[in-house]
Amino acid sequence: QVQLQESGPGLVKPSETLSLTCTVSGASISSSYWSWIRQSAGRGLEWIGRVYTSGTTRSHPSLQSRVTISVDTSKNQFSLKLRSVTAADTAVYYCAKERNFFAPWGQGILVTVSS
Amino acid sequence: DIQMTQSPSSLSASVGDRVTITCRASQDIGNSLAWYQQKPGKAPKVLLFAASRLESGVPSRFSGSGSGTVYTLTISSLQPEDFATYYCQQYHGTPFFGQGTKLEIK
Repeated sequence: QVQLQESGPGLVKPSETLSLTCTVSGASISSSYWSWIRQSAGRGLEWIGRVYTSGTTRSHPSLQSRVTISVDTSKNQFSLKLRSVTAADTAVYYCAKERNFFAPWGQGILVTVSS
Repeated sequence: DIQMTQSPSSLSASVGDRVTITCRASQDIGNSLAWYQQKPGKAPKVLLFAASRLESGVPSRFSGSGSGTVYTLTISSLQPEDFATYYCQQYHGTPFFGQGTKLEIK
C-alpha cells in the first residue's frame, strides 16, 4: 500500500526557509494530487497546499506568498518550502495523498522555529 | 473561505455508548465532508468521506449523515480503541478542518 515519509530539519531559525521532502513508496507518484498539512496547538490542522504530478500547485490563501511546493517524479518525491518563518510556523508537518480528503498520511515531522 | 465549527469540543462517554459529533459549515458544502480519527502521536486517519461513505477497513459502527451546512459523525457502540480526537474537513473549496472533538473515557 502507499506509504509516505517526511524528512528534513527539525529546527529552523526565524526568517529562514523551512524545507521538507515527502517520499512516496508503494505506488507511483504520477497522476495524483499530493498535499502538505500542518498541525499546531494554536492553529489546529491547517492545509498548506497541494501539487499535481504535472507540477500544478495551489496553496492556502494565507500562506501562498511564502509557499513553494514542487514534485520530482523521478524520485517519487514532493517538497515544501516555506519562507520567512516565525515561531507561529512551529508545527508538526504532514504530507498526504489528496483524494479531496487526505489518505494516507505520513507519520509527521515536528519542525520548531527558534534561534 | 468555508469555515468548520465542531461541537462539542470534548465529550466523556463509556464503552458501549452511542455518541454523536456535529460539524457546521459556514456555507453549503454539498456533502463534501470527511471525518478523521487521530490518536496521540499519530497522523489523522480518514473514517468517512462524501459525508456518509465509509473508507475501506473502517468498522461499520462509524456512520455519517447530514447535508447542506450540518453534518454528524455517529459511533453506534463505543469500543476502547475509539477514544481519540475526531476532526471534520470540508473539501468544497480550500480545505478546512474543524477544531476537533476529544472523546474521553468517562
